[in-house]
Amino acid sequence: EDQVTQSPEALRLQEGESSSLNCSYTVSGLRGLFWYRQDPGKGPEFLFTLYSAGEEKEKERLKATLTKKESFLHITAPKPEDSATYLCAVQARYGGATNKLIFGTGTLLAVQP
Amino acid sequence: GAVVSQHPSRVICKSGTSVKIECRSLDFQATTMFWYRQFPKQSLMLMATSNEGSKATYEQGVEKDKFLINHASLTLSTLTVTSAHPEDSSFYICSARDPRGEGDTQYFGPGTRLTVL
Repeated sequence: EDQVTQSPEALRLQEGESSSLNCSYTVSGLRGLFWYRQDPGKGPEFLFTLYSAGEEKEKERLKATLTKKESFLHITAPKPEDSATYLCAVQARYGGATNKLIFGTGTLLAVQP
Repeated sequence: GAVVSQHPSRVICKSGTSVKIECRSLDFQATTMFWYRQFPKQSLMLMATSNEGSKATYEQGVEKDKFLINHASLTLSTLTVTSAHPEDSSFYICSARDPRGEGDTQYFGPGTRLTVL
């Protein structure tokens, strides 16, 4: 069964304290892995798509990496405005079918000034 | 680019009534849209995949007669919650795949908070 597990469930950082969020997955052929940011009461905001092991993408203070079993979202020198829930999702490569995403339960990040 | 809107953002209704939620892709055409439900402190659960001009595909356990989906144009999909009950109260979010963008990336709307009294 395809599955996505995110850790930790919650993370509290001081402003400027770098850290990483983990997304472990099992999927019958990975088509893509996606990172989203979700603020309370809002829809997820797209951050990154990764397709193959070894791929890395960066945006401001965020950097996403991918291996064959997991992905990391590295946050460098975070600011309070980076506080949000970070969601990881995978898309499996089923023969001919859908663009269905399977989401993890997210990591709630709180960055204190 | 890749902006998805939803309307209404918040709705409160009485038990037994029907509620319609609209999802629009504002700057692109989406042949496929998705409807999710999110309960407090839980992740997104896919309810159904909406395909323009054809019937929606529902996930296991989702009642298609209760959650009616119509994808009548390339920029609009609607979800109607029929005969709503308090247990249908949730945060409903739609997404759309932008064919111009990066692979199969889905872009999400801002969500609709449904409260059934």
